[in-house]
Amino acid sequence: QVQLVESGGGLVKPGGSLRLSCAASGFTFSDFYMSWIRQAPGKGLEWVSYISSSGGAIYYVDSVKGRFTFSRDNAKNSLYLQMNSLRAEDTAVYYCARDLDSGRIDSWGQGTLVTVSS
Amino acid sequence: DIVMTQTPLSSPVTLGQPASISCRSSQSLVHGDGNTYLSWLQQRPGQPPRLLIYKISNRFSGVPDRFSGSGAGTDFTLKISRVAAEDVGVYYCMQATQFPFTFGPGTKVDIK
Repeated sequence: QVQLVESGGGLVKPGGSLRLSCAASGFTFSDFYMSWIRQAPGKGLEWVSYISSSGGAIYYVDSVKGRFTFSRDNAKNSLYLQMNSLRAEDTAVYYCARDLDSGRIDSWGQGTLVTVSS
Repeated sequence: DIVMTQTPLSSPVTLGQPASISCRSSQSLVHGDGNTYLSWLQQRPGQPPRLLIYKISNRFSGVPDRFSGSGAGTDFTLKISRVAAEDVGVYYCMQATQFPFTFGPGTKVDIK
């Protein structure tokens, strides 16, 4: 079955960096668009970034543009989110998610918590 | 960016009774391809979200038929015909017509 497992979260100081990973299994990874979506503690969902199946097209929400970089390695069935210049407002659980087509997000990982605090 | 709003934000319901959640977008969600990419997701406590409905009214695989979606343009509704105990959670509408995809603030459904 489809499995998405995030890792790499943790506590980081403001201005610091972190790299999240998402390991995918149970499906042909290279066929699917993928997303990172985050959820601040006790808050709602915020879509962060979206990558095409080949990695050739990537979209970001404005609040992370220039600071976050989304990439994928189809040979390793893995996604990466490089997060630089982190701010307190980036504190959230970060989910990787599979997009069946056009925002039909059918599978989610369990999430990894990123805490930005001094 | 398209802003999504939901009403109510909290909905205490009686088991076996219907529930309804409204979602409104700040602009039409009709895509240039003619589709309307409005989804509904459920998030149970301590769990990641789960897709219930996509393209306004299509139930995703495995979703009970007590869940239904309707609407058009900028106004959408999720209905639960008879609320069950396992329906407790937060419900989000989401638009994927335009980047960035955006979510409503969520509606918390719990049992009276």
